[in-house]
Amino acid sequence: RKEVEQDPGPFNVPEGATVAFNCTYSNSASQSFFWYRQDCRKEPKLLMSVYSSGNEDGRFTAQLNRASQYISLLIRDSKLSDSATYLCVVRPLGLGGYNKLIFGAGTRLAVHP
Amino acid sequence: NAGVTQTPKFQVLKTGQSMTLQCAQDMNHEYMSWYRQDPGMGLRLIHYSVGAGITDQGEVPNGYNVSRSTTEDFPLRLLSAAPSQTSVYFCASSYKPSGVNEQFFGPGTRLTVL
Repeated sequence: RKEVEQDPGPFNVPEGATVAFNCTYSNSASQSFFWYRQDCRKEPKLLMSVYSSGNEDGRFTAQLNRASQYISLLIRDSKLSDSATYLCVVRPLGLGGYNKLIFGAGTRLAVHP
Repeated sequence: NAGVTQTPKFQVLKTGQSMTLQCAQDMNHEYMSWYRQDPGMGLRLIHYSVGAGITDQGEVPNGYNVSRSTTEDFPLRLLSAAPSQTSVYFCASSYKPSGVNEQFFGPGTRLTVL
């Protein structure tokens, strides 16, 4: 079983739609959680961290469910520019003081006019 | 600031050749890492460094060497290239662990081994 699992998609949605992605992780001792965005043939960039109480950044809302070991990302009012691959990233309990991030394979979102 | 830079952007090697992928950052970050990204898989950690002179293995270190003689540079060496090393390689850097620990990635090197 992969440590971090995501539905690869693609999720094809029209502009203005609301779309949600889920991600599950296997290590219950995981400490930190993130969503990264990766445009086609580009490097990943941090979209947002995920906090235990849930958090929002504009049109983006992230939720964490530790009991069920999943993370979600909700995008409201989708824009064409939201088309990208969204990577779920988990930081296990630190070893040797360094945070080794575990990346999911990503969920591809395609927003069409 | 240039951020994290990587060279070359593209490289084709023959099996058995060796080469070095260059990575540099100008943000004075202590932590640097090398990842590889393959289709259908998440980024996997190859090697990492927590400061100049200190390196350690990640998840998939076989066939790769690293060194960290300065804070800025973290080159990745392929000792004897194999087709299984065909991948996209990303270098990343970050501040010391702060709870947020955003990784800043370079633009990547696309490597093909024939």
